[in-house]
Amino acid sequence: DIVLTQAPLSVSVTPGESASISCRSSKSLLSSKGITSLYWYLQRPGKSPQLLIYQMSNLASGVPDRFSSSGSETDFTLKISKVETEDVGVYYCGHRLEYPFTFGSGTKLEIK
Amino acid sequence: EIQLQESGPGLVKPSQSLSLTCSVTGYTITSGYDWSWIRKFPGNKMEWMGYISYSGSTNYNPSLKSRISITRDTSKNQFFLQLNSVTTEDTATYYCARFPAWWGQGVMVTVSS
Repeated sequence: DIVLTQAPLSVSVTPGESASISCRSSKSLLSSKGITSLYWYLQRPGKSPQLLIYQMSNLASGVPDRFSSSGSETDFTLKISKVETEDVGVYYCGHRLEYPFTFGSGTKLEIK
Repeated sequence: EIQLQESGPGLVKPSQSLSLTCSVTGYTITSGYDWSWIRKFPGNKMEWMGYISYSGSTNYNPSLKSRISITRDTSKNQFFLQLNSVTTEDTATYYCARFPAWWGQGVMVTVSS
């Protein structure tokens, strides 16, 4: 199985500042079709996961452009600019390159 | 807009079977896509369990392969999860999803005697 390693485990951010979350894959997530199969999700407290980013750098529908993602074939970064209180929750990276799909262990974002 | 809703017992005894239903509205499950079950354990660990495709084929996480079955009732636009021989390690919140973008609200299942 592909292992996704997230860092940090948790991050505390002052509203208006930026936050970055790292995700490292044990295998290249670049598919034979040239698509990087890396996804980012946010699970707010008491809610189901919400897709933020698909195919490494594409913003999902309705997601504010304060969220962005970049990376290579194995190393990825989610950046949240001008953090707001509604951004609190657990962030996950995940892939869909091959079965079984797997997820990172999650990064908890808190507000200072 | 597509909506998914899980239902099923919140408490299951060890060694018994866990059975959940996902009811889908706003999209016909035979029209396209894969229909997944995903679970989140206490703490943050998330596990993709498997899916049933729009054509009825299935794909399961090998870690569960001997215990899991995903089926569907196309007349009701529902799909189902059955997990056999559960232990306390199967205690989790279970989500159905049209992965990766559309998720149900989740149902918490506790395995306990």
